[in-house]
Amino acid sequence: EDQVTQSPEALRLQEGESSSLNCSYTVSGLRGLFWYRQDPGKGPEFLFTLYSAGEEKEKERLKATLTKKESFLHITAPKPEDSATYLCAVQAGWNTGNQFYFGTGTSLTVIP
Amino acid sequence: NAGVTQTPKFRVLKTGQSMTLLCAQDMNHEYMYWYRQDPGMGLRLIHYSVGEGTTAKGEVPDGYNVSRLKKQNFLLGLESAAPSQTSVYFCASSYRQGAYEQYFGPGTRLTVT
Repeated sequence: EDQVTQSPEALRLQEGESSSLNCSYTVSGLRGLFWYRQDPGKGPEFLFTLYSAGEEKEKERLKATLTKKESFLHITAPKPEDSATYLCAVQAGWNTGNQFYFGTGTSLTVIP
Repeated sequence: NAGVTQTPKFRVLKTGQSMTLLCAQDMNHEYMYWYRQDPGMGLRLIHYSVGEGTTAKGEVPDGYNVSRLKKQNFLLGLESAAPSQTSVYFCASSYRQGAYEQYFGPGTRLTVT
């Protein structure tokens, strides 16, 4: 059974304190791994797509990496505006609907 | 571009009432999706559509129906609402077949009493 697990569930950081969020997956035939940011009361906002092990993507203070079993979202010198829930999703196999399987997210709080 | 829009933003229903949620996208995307998001459960796929006039079941389809009469619109219907359908509903769209990202709407918060 395809599964996506994110850890930790919640993370509190001081402003400037770098850390990483984890997304581990067990799927058959990974086609893509996606990271989203979700602010309270809003819809998920697309951040990155990773397609193969070894790939990395960067955007401002965020860097996403991918191995054969997990992905990390590294946050360097975070600011309070980085506070949000970060969601990971995988697309597996060649299903007709491009279906995503989502993790339950990591809630990040950055304290000034 | 408005992206993906959803109406209404909030709704309260009584058990047994019906309603329709509307999703619209202006990105000319082929694929559209309806999800529900519940605490501790993550986003779960209800129904999806791979093109105008087509629909298919997702992970949690029971109690919901959908229609895609126009490429830009995807409707989610609840024929007889139940308290278990209290949730936040998100619509999403993606370009076409392939590993493409999905773009989400702002959500509809539905409470069934």
